[in-house]
Parts: sequence; structure tokens; C-alpha cells
Amino acid sequence: DGGITQSPKYLFRKEGQNVTLSCEQNLNHDAMYWYRQDPGQGLRLIYYSQIVNDFQKGDIAEGYSVSREKKESFPLTVTSAQKNPTAFYLCASSEGLAPGELFFGEGSRLTVL
Amino acid sequence: KQEVTQIPAALSVPEGENLVLNCSFTDSAIYNLQWFRQDPGKGLTSLLLIQSSQREQTSGRLNASLDKSSGRSTLYIAASQPGDSATYLCAVATTDSWGKLQFGAGTQVVVTP
Repeated sequence: DGGITQSPKYLFRKEGQNVTLSCEQNLNHDAMYWYRQDPGQGLRLIYYSQIVNDFQKGDIAEGYSVSREKKESFPLTVTSAQKNPTAFYLCASSEGLAPGELFFGEGSRLTVL
Repeated sequence: KQEVTQIPAALSVPEGENLVLNCSFTDSAIYNLQWFRQDPGKGLTSLLLIQSSQREQTSGRLNASLDKSSGRSTLYIAASQPGDSATYLCAVATTDSWGKLQFGAGTQVVVTP
């Protein structure tokens, strides 16, 4: 089955640690996205990538980093510089270079202890 | 900047009643609008995508309308069922901000048996 796989589903981090969230898609989509979701709020865009080896900052990129070395992979690193990292993180992808239908993974919940 | 609002934040209806969910946006220069469903602790599932040139889209019991001039979209779910209980989000793609979809905060729906 085609889809987006995020891992881990749950992650606990101590303050001062960097953590990396994995996102893999087998839909052959060009564009990939990372969103953050907080309770009672809409999704906010962290980073997005239209093509391999290229990515753009979204609205809340500070304290996060990404890479796009392969078309199917778009990992997100939450660095120690992110002041409030506890949240639900969602990876998405879409076909082509225009904002078409978005497909989402199941999400990763990060909790800072 | 595009702002997307969904009112009400929560809604409870008895089984069999039709659901009407609202989405408002401030900038009418949209590329498309998408409706999603989210179950607790899960990712988003795309329900309907309406291009800016369309007035409505239908899929089974779901119908979404789009009125760009008034900055509104409405999602209708006919003959609601307990399985329709979820949070419904809309997202708008604006023509001048590729990749940066703006999400509403969602409407949490409970359908009681």
C-alpha cells in the first residue's frame, strides 16, 4: 500500500537533546511538508520541500532543521534551540509542484521531560 | 496574510441529522481549498479538494461548496452516523504563497446514537 510512514509514534526527550523524526513516502510525490499541531490550534508549517536537495522555511522554522537527500525521505530534527517542542508533528506529501491534495502520515508525538 | 476560521469549535448532533461545517478565509485569491478529517491521535485524511474554479465537490454523503467572493466554504455531511465523529479541518492554498497552506483550527464533531 502506498502511503507515508512516520516514526517513532511517541518520543520522549530530555531538555537539551536533539531528536530526529523520520518521514518516508512511497507515493512518488515531489513535495513534502512538516507541520506542528498544538491543542486547539490549526496546523502550522515548519518546513517544506519541492524537490530533492531543496527545502524552504515555513512559518515556525526556528529550532528545527530538515534534509531532503532522497525523494522519498524528509527527516525533521528538533534541536535544543526549540523552546517549546512538546507537540504533535505531522508529515505530509503532495504530487507535483503545485499545492494539490495533501496526504498525511499518522504523526509523531514528542514530549519533553 | 491568509487567515482561516472555523466556527463552531465543537458541535454535537443526534444520529441521522445533517451536519453543516463552516470555513471562512480572508483572502479570496485562493488556489484551492481542502477538507480533512482527523481522528484523535491520528493524522489527517483528505476528504475533498475544491479548485478555485469549482463551486462544489461531492463524494458519497459529503458535499463541499466554495464561494470565493464571500470567503466561505461549507462541508455538508448527510445523514450523520456515530462513525462521523471526528475533528474536521479546512485548509486554503493561496496563489501567492505556494506550499504554505493555511489551516483552520477545526470543528470537533460528536454524533450521538
